[in-house]
This record gives sequence, C-alpha cells and structure tokens, in this order.
Amino acid sequence: SQTIHQWPATLVQPVGSPLSLECTVEGTSNPNLYWYRQAAGRGLQLLFYSVGIGQISSEVPQNLSASRPQDRQFILSSKKLLLSDSGFYLCAWNRDRRNGYTFGSGTRLTVV
Amino acid sequence: TQLLEQSPQFLSIQEGENLTVYCNSSSVFSSLQWYRQEPGEGPVLLVTVVTGGEVKKLKRLTFQFGDARKDSSLHITAAQPGDTGLYLCAGERNYGQNFVFGPGTRLSVLP
Repeated sequence: SQTIHQWPATLVQPVGSPLSLECTVEGTSNPNLYWYRQAAGRGLQLLFYSVGIGQISSEVPQNLSASRPQDRQFILSSKKLLLSDSGFYLCAWNRDRRNGYTFGSGTRLTVV
Repeated sequence: TQLLEQSPQFLSIQEGENLTVYCNSSSVFSSLQWYRQEPGEGPVLLVTVVTGGEVKKLKRLTFQFGDARKDSSLHITAAQPGDTGLYLCAGERNYGQNFVFGPGTRLSVLP
C-alpha cells in the first residue's frame, strides 16, 4: 500500500533562518506531488506541484521554493523565513486527481 | 475572493441531530470532492462526484452535486462525535487541472 511521510511535525524557526521540509511517498512510482499551505479560514492554498523529477510548477509567487530530486521525494525550502511564512504545510500525492489527494500529516511551522 | 464558498463556517450540534453543509461557486466544475480533516492531520478524501445531480451515500453521509455542477451539499444523518472535524470541498475547474479547495466548515458534534 502507498504511504506518505512528512516531517517534522512541528517547527519553530526565527525570522531570516532557512527552511527545509521533506516529503516522501512509498509504494507507488511517478506520483504527482504537491505542497499546500493551510491558513485558518482560507482552506488549502496550493504552493507547488510536480508531475515528475525536476519538474516544478509554482502557483503563488512567494518566499518559498520546491525541488524534486528523486521520483518520490518532494522538498519545500526557503533561504530566509518571514513571519508570514507561518502556517500548516501539507504535502500530498496522487496519480489521478479524480481519485483524490492523499495528504501527509502536516508540519506546523511557526516563524518567530 | 474565493472560488469556492462553504457554509456555514462553523456548526455545533448535539449528537443525533441531522445537518447539511454547503459548497457553492459561480463557476462550473468538472468534478468535486469532499474531505474531512481532523486537528493536526491532513484531509482525508470522502467522495468524488462527477455528474450533475449525482447523489452518493457513504453510511450516514449523503453527498449531492448540483444539476449545474456549481454547488454541492453534504448531509449527515444522526451525527456522532466522531463526525467532528473540518469539512472541505474541492472543485476541478477543467478536467486534469488541479483542484481548488474551499475554506471549510468546522463541525463539532457534542455528546
């Protein structure tokens, strides 16, 4: 069966520090991979998605970047965090969007 | 403005009551999904509806896609505390595009 792992679960980082969140998927190949940010009352905002290794599409211009160095690995990064980067970050995967998105358990990021 | 609106934003009911939550848009969707999210976890898919007027049932949950494919509803019969969570709808504007999520309805079912 397929599983998705996302870590860390919580993270407190100072303003201006770098960020690296990692997501891996097991039990499937060539998945579509996604990074979302969830703010209270605004649902899920798609940040990046990838349909293959090295292929990254950005949905919203921001202080963040994403990379897909391996087929089942998706990384969300920042060189210098801003206070506004605080939020709940979710990684997700699917093969066919109509079969739904399978989400990781999320990372609660607090920038102080 | 959000592409998908959900109402009510919050709902608190007693165990055993029935409830309906709504997902609305001025746009037409190729398909629509409903998810439930518990605190500190990622959303979990409940259902996908594709055809206008389609009704799907999942135990005590009934999902309906509007005839014009612009809206959807989720009805829960005899709610239980285990139904507590954030209910999110997500719409597919055009086939193959990424789904857009609504802001959610936060449901609390009190024992």
